[in-house]
Amino acid sequence: EVQLVESGGGLVQPGRSLRLSCAASGFTFHDYAMHWVRQAPGKGLEWVSGISWDSGTIDYADSVKGRFTISRDSAKNSLYLQMNSLRPEDTALYFCAKDIRSSFYYYVMDVWGQGTTVTVSS
Amino acid sequence: QSALTQPASVSGSPGQSITISCTGTSSDVGGYNFVSWYQQHPGKAPQLMIYDVRYRPAGVSNRFSGSKSGNTASLTISGLQAEDEADYYCSSYRSSSTLKVFGGGTKLTVL
Repeated sequence: EVQLVESGGGLVQPGRSLRLSCAASGFTFHDYAMHWVRQAPGKGLEWVSGISWDSGTIDYADSVKGRFTISRDSAKNSLYLQMNSLRPEDTALYFCAKDIRSSFYYYVMDVWGQGTTVTVSS
Repeated sequence: QSALTQPASVSGSPGQSITISCTGTSSDVGGYNFVSWYQQHPGKAPQLMIYDVRYRPAGVSNRFSGSKSGNTASLTISGLQAEDEADYYCSSYRSSSTLKVFGGGTKLTVL
């Protein structure tokens, strides 16, 4: 079964850091681009970051650029999101998603995890 | 950041057909055939329904179809069913990283 399982969310104070993980199974992780997408409570989807199959191409939404870092480890079939200098507006459910292609620029996400909740509050 | 524009809500009765629009610019929807549509039920993860304007992933009902004209893409759901009630989001390849990836979402109500 193709599956993505996120972890690492929680309650954190503004200015602090958090690292999200996404464990992939059931497909050849190395072949596909991956994304992080978030959804603030009661709001729509916001693309956060994408990484190509070989980590050669990476991009971020302007709202997180310079604060968040995406990475992947094919040996561990895992995707990561290092979030620094967190702000209250980063509070959201964070989804990990697989792309159908090796490049993420077409934003076609065919497999999604159930998400991990990040709450930034003092 | 420019956004893909979707109607906030649409509604229809069981058995009817509805269409959800997604309006962008020549830098995204109009310039490329890489529009996707996602369905999201409350409390659930999104599900890919249409990609590359008109293609359905395996397992998605053929009641769902996609099209594009100029800078506007459309998702049509025919034979509306109660289970179709959900939020729908469009996304598009875009030529500038300053443009948002997803539309604002459309809430579909089945009357």
